[in-house]
Amino acid sequence: ETGVTQSPTHLIKTRGQQVTLRCSSQSGHNTVSWYQQALGQGPQFIFQYYREEENGRGNFPPRFSGLQFPNYSSELNVNALELDDSALYLCASSSTSGRANEQFFGPGTRLTVL
Amino acid sequence: AQSVTQPDIHITVSEGASLELRCNYSYGATPYLFWYVQSPGQGLQLLLKYFSGDTLVQGIKGFEAEFKRSQSSFNLRKPSVHWSDAAEYFCAVGPTGGGNKLTFGTGTQLKVEL
Repeated sequence: ETGVTQSPTHLIKTRGQQVTLRCSSQSGHNTVSWYQQALGQGPQFIFQYYREEENGRGNFPPRFSGLQFPNYSSELNVNALELDDSALYLCASSSTSGRANEQFFGPGTRLTVL
Repeated sequence: AQSVTQPDIHITVSEGASLELRCNYSYGATPYLFWYVQSPGQGLQLLLKYFSGDTLVQGIKGFEAEFKRSQSSFNLRKPSVHWSDAAEYFCAVGPTGGGNKLTFGTGTQLKVEL
């Protein structure tokens, strides 16, 4: 059984640029959630995707967007990067056939915005 | 709105000593409750979870947690800490009504002295 994987591991961008982060869900999981973890903070929910549709969103602006593909992998896109977007971005997958809230996290992508 | 408070930002214990990490939550009903551990530069690993039933739950790595409804608490314990337990610990709540949004506390950094 393959766990949740994310790419890239690290990324450096400059303010105003756009970035795409990728996540492959755990085998058998059809739901992907994205979280932002700023330094010294707990993860903050960005949004969730289920069956290729956004299914819940946290308090993040529209420049944070996502996609989910038929194989349940997902992308997080951030436009017009700001310095405060520097964080660890975590992807979590889960299966609606089980406990809806039991999520399995990937190792994260560390984004640095200069 | 749901929220989680972890009042201890840093805790230092000696190897072999017992450990208790505090977690208090605010939620309209009994939520799903989780403890995650995060090692430096890593994603989150689920230690244990509470959905219903027995209020004392056992997790991996010798950890346990007790749900106390009257105190809105879900404290994490371990009888004897090992040096490898040094990490950051996050308490989280999730809605019982469905959906996968987890709300995390700000974390407790555990240091283990040899």
